[in-house]
Amino acid sequence: GAVVSQHPSWVICKSGTSVKIECRSLDFQATTMFWYRQFPKQSLMLMATSNEGSKATYEQGVEKDKFLINHASLTLSTLTVTSAHPEDSSFYICSAGDRRSRYSGANVLTFGAGSRLTVL
Amino acid sequence: DAKTTQPNSMESNEEEPVHLPCNHSTISGTDYIHWYRQLPSQGPEYVIHGLTSNVNNRMASLAIAEDRKSSTLILHRATLRDAAVYYCILNAGNNRKLIWGLGTSLAVNP
Repeated sequence: GAVVSQHPSWVICKSGTSVKIECRSLDFQATTMFWYRQFPKQSLMLMATSNEGSKATYEQGVEKDKFLINHASLTLSTLTVTSAHPEDSSFYICSAGDRRSRYSGANVLTFGAGSRLTVL
Repeated sequence: DAKTTQPNSMESNEEEPVHLPCNHSTISGTDYIHWYRQLPSQGPEYVIHGLTSNVNNRMASLAIAEDRKSSTLILHRATLRDAAVYYCILNAGNNRKLIWGLGTSLAVNP
């Protein structure tokens, strides 16, 4: 089945530094990937939709200059948290849809394992 | 996107069936009913989806009401590894954005 690999699984950084999170579709091509953020005891909040070869579409309230998304190939999307601050500490999750999948008509998504960011 | 309503939490015993309900009274004709689950500190995992007919797969069964305003995810024999938050989500076929609620936190007792 479809597999999405997310790296790193956890990262600790100092305030003011930038952190890059990678999301790879291992056995399928993903024209669209989604980035979510999840705070403790809360649900997933969609941050942005990443489209291969074009600019990402950000949800309302998400700073596109702070959360840089790049989707340069059909198998890789990256999220860079620039000038991270403690309030950016969260669980970041990516997902992708498999356009070859027989489920594609229903838009079934495969998720990465998530990346836990802690900003000191 | 149409909204879903789920109980905040449920409890089950190991080896027993579990029925997780979901209400979606404003569902539209093109909305698929998706179920995902999220284990602690992990990304969500696809469980099952359906449109009108009941569905079965190796993980679970999905029973959809005739009027499609509600559905039930059925775990036939709960195991400790099934303890997770279960999300019921509606998604139209041409829109890949999934809107997540708080889901149902399932506890499984040994």
